[in-house]
Amino acid sequence: DIQMTQSPSTLSASVGDTVTITCRASQSISSWLAWYQQKPGKVPKLLIYKSSNLESGVPSRFSGSGSGTEFTLTISSLQPDDFATYYCQQYVSYSTFGPGTKVEIK
Amino acid sequence: EVQLAESGGGLVQPGQSLRLSCMTSGFTFGAYIMTWVRQAPGKGLECVALIRTDTYGGTTQYAASVQGRFTISVDASKGIAYLQMNSLKTEDTAVYYCTRGRGLQSVYDYWGQGTLVTVSS
Repeated sequence: DIQMTQSPSTLSASVGDTVTITCRASQSISSWLAWYQQKPGKVPKLLIYKSSNLESGVPSRFSGSGSGTEFTLTISSLQPDDFATYYCQQYVSYSTFGPGTKVEIK
Repeated sequence: EVQLAESGGGLVQPGQSLRLSCMTSGFTFGAYIMTWVRQAPGKGLECVALIRTDTYGGTTQYAASVQGRFTISVDASKGIAYLQMNSLKTEDTAVYYCTRGRGLQSVYDYWGQGTLVTVSS
């Protein structure tokens, strides 16, 4: 089974900051990596698929990169609506989510 | 408008069974992969079962944690996905989300609101 890790587990930031979350896979997953945002009590929302493709309707301040085993999600100019938990997901083999990264207000 | 709506959750005792349903509308059911994803209280996301419709070969896959106890199925004519859960354990307590998987290797672009399953004596 492919295991996913994320770092950091919690990230404190201010509005306007640029933040980066890292996701690592236990083996190569090519570019089969997605990112989701989840706010408390809400349903997860797809942000990015195939490592760097922005889902329709998602603001351009979100971007993704990486291939193989290491990936990043970058949020430029953090907005109040962006404070949430972010999960990566590999989907090359079945589906596995990372443990999540909580982005909180500093 | 794409919609997914789960039902069937509730409180059961360990060892008992429960069947979840996911009614869908607004898309061609057979063109997508249906998946159940769960989230235990305060925890992360786990894909527990997926089913590829006939378009994608009609196969199923399960997480190791539920293999042999859970069964995913669909009624494509009605656009409904099911999750039959047997021999439930306390660690199965979670919100269960029905999701639509886009592509053979799927990202989950639409999610239902979830149904809570609580396994407790």
